[in-house]
Amino acid sequence: KNEVEQSPQNLTAQEGEFITINCSYSVGISALHWLQQHPGGGIVSLFMLSSGKKKHGRLIATINIQEKHSSLHITASHPRDSAVYICAVNRGADGLTFGKGTHLIIQP
Amino acid sequence: KAGVTQTPRYLIKTRGQQVTLSCSPISGHRSVSWYQQTPGQGLQFLFEYFSETQRNKGNFPGRFSGRQFSNSRSEMNVSTLELGDSALYLCASSGQSYNEQFFGPGTRLTVL
Repeated sequence: KNEVEQSPQNLTAQEGEFITINCSYSVGISALHWLQQHPGGGIVSLFMLSSGKKKHGRLIATINIQEKHSSLHITASHPRDSAVYICAVNRGADGLTFGKGTHLIIQP
Repeated sequence: KAGVTQTPRYLIKTRGQQVTLSCSPISGHRSVSWYQQTPGQGLQFLFEYFSETQRNKGNFPGRFSGRQFSNSRSEMNVSTLELGDSALYLCASSGQSYNEQFFGPGTRLTVL
């Protein structure tokens, strides 16, 4: 079993829909990162959080430390949100451990 | 501020050769981490340097090594290349270890 599990692996939705991507982890962490990767490889850090909730524009990230679970939400989704979303956990000395990613396609 | 830069962007090598990749972090950032991304394994942590010291290392063989210079620029070296080393190699910089990571565009290495 991977230490970081993401669901769903693939998600296709219509423009305007509310999107939720989930991340569960099985180890103790000091922080969790949400990353976005577009075709071609470039990775952008969306959020780093260790508790509660953060919001940036149409993106919202939440984390529940007790349940070892985090969610990334996208409101009013747009085709430009199409990308791979990756959850990563910071375990300190072991560096970042990554989930396999969620491939998101938003259709116009 | 200029972003993280990586050189070269693309590289083709043959088995048995060695390769050196370079990463220049955002000005003022002292932490540089290296990652390998492959279709099969996804993203995996290679190592992290902070103020010229390797602080953490992932589960990779000794053929993978790195260093960081006093200006925080970092290099990683892979010796005796194998076909399985074909991957996208990404570096990321941050002000402190594993704070918000700023990624470079990556170096795509192909081993023939």
